[in-house]
Amino acid sequence: EDQVTQSPEALRLQEGESSSLNCSYTVSGLRGLFWYRQDPGKGPEFLFTLYSAGEEKEKERLKATLTKKESFLHITAPKPEDSATYLCAVPLDTSYKLIFGSGTRLLVRP
Amino acid sequence: DSGVTQTPKHLITATGQRVTLRCSPRSGDLSVYWYQQSLDQGLQFLIQYYNGEERAKGNILERFSAQQFPDLHSELNLSSLELGDSALYFCASSVAGREQYFGPGTRLTVT
Repeated sequence: EDQVTQSPEALRLQEGESSSLNCSYTVSGLRGLFWYRQDPGKGPEFLFTLYSAGEEKEKERLKATLTKKESFLHITAPKPEDSATYLCAVPLDTSYKLIFGSGTRLLVRP
Repeated sequence: DSGVTQTPKHLITATGQRVTLRCSPRSGDLSVYWYQQSLDQGLQFLIQYYNGEERAKGNILERFSAQQFPDLHSELNLSSLELGDSALYFCASSVAGREQYFGPGTRLTVT
């Protein structure tokens, strides 16, 4: 069964305390893996697309990596404004409809 | 701002009623996707349109329907509403096969 699992469900960090979020997936024929950030009551904001194992993408304090079975979102020296829910998603088929993980709620304390 | 617009932002309606949610995709995007986000189910794919044609369906209820018009905007129609339909409804648009950009959502409350 196609599935996306994220861990941890929630993560509390002190400002400046680096950490990683995990997204594991089981789909046949990976057509990419997407990371999104979602603030409460808002639409998901696109962050990264990764297509093949070994690929890495960076944006400010965020770095996403991909292996054959999972992806990591590394947050370096986070700030309170990085607090949000981070979602990963994979396309199921050629329609590119997305299956989402349940997300990791990140809280960064000053 | 993703470039995807959705109206209305909020809807409060009674059980049994019918509502229409509207989405305008980013300029140039032919694909529109509709998703439902509830507290207990997370983000769930409902339906996709590509250039006016239905392309894919998820676990969309028979009470729900959608269409995409020649100007590429899309509407999601929800009828015979139940309390459990209360959720955030998002549309997203994309160039085929690429990342999807989400609108701000419509919060539906069924009382």
